[in-house]
Amino acid sequence: QQQVKQSPQSLIVQKGGISIINCAYENTAFDYFPWYQQFPGKGPALLIAIRPDVSEKKEGRFTISFNKSAKQFSLHIMDSQPGDSATYFCAARGENFVFGPGTRLSVLP
Amino acid sequence: DTAVSQTPKYLVTQMGNDKSIKCEQNLGHDTMYWYKQDSKKFLKIMFSYNNKELIINETVPNRFSPKSPDKAHLNLHINSLELGDSAVYFCASSQGGRGSPLHFGNGTRLTVT
Repeated sequence: QQQVKQSPQSLIVQKGGISIINCAYENTAFDYFPWYQQFPGKGPALLIAIRPDVSEKKEGRFTISFNKSAKQFSLHIMDSQPGDSATYFCAARGENFVFGPGTRLSVLP
Repeated sequence: DTAVSQTPKYLVTQMGNDKSIKCEQNLGHDTMYWYKQDSKKFLKIMFSYNNKELIINETVPNRFSPKSPDKAHLNLHINSLELGDSAVYFCASSQGGRGSPLHFGNGTRLTVT
C-alpha cells in the first residue's frame, strides 16, 4: 500500500526527443505527487509537483500527467537535452513521503 | 545561502567506530528527516522530527540515534558501524502540512571498511 512503482529503470533518449517516466501507486490517501531530479554527488531536487485534483501540470519542458482513477502519473520531458541526464524519482505523500526506485535518464547528444 | 547543509560530505571509517553526521536547515521548516540511499539509489526514510520531536522511526537498528537540539538542526549518530551501513545519507526538511515538498541536502557518503 505504501509503495510507489516506477518504470523504466533506465532510459536512453536522443537529444530533442521526449522522455517519459511512469509511476503507479495504491494508497488513495496520497495527496501530493512530486518529481525529483538527482545529479551525481547531489541531493534530489524538486522538479515539479502535482495534486490529485489536477490532471496535468506543465512547467517549461516538464509536464506531469495525472490519472487519479488509474492511480498513475507520469513525467514527460519535451525536447530532452544532455543536461537533463540524471536520475528521476517520483514520490507520493501521505503521512510521509514514499519514493519510487528511480529512473536513470541518459540523453545522447 | 545553502538551504539544507550537512557535514561531512565524505566519511570513511572502520567497522566498529562511532561517527556523527550533522545537518542544518535555514528554511525555517518545522520538520526534518534522515534518508538513506543505497547503492541502487533507492531512497528510504529513517527518521522524521517535527519541532524537535521524533515522529517517524522506521525499522532502523538502534545503533542509529538522531538528535535534534533545535528545529533547525538534526544530527545522526551511528554507533558500532558495520559494512552494511555504507550508503549515502541525506538530510531533508519540509514545512509541516501535507503538500509541502522535501528539500534535500547534498548527502554524506559513508564508507565503512
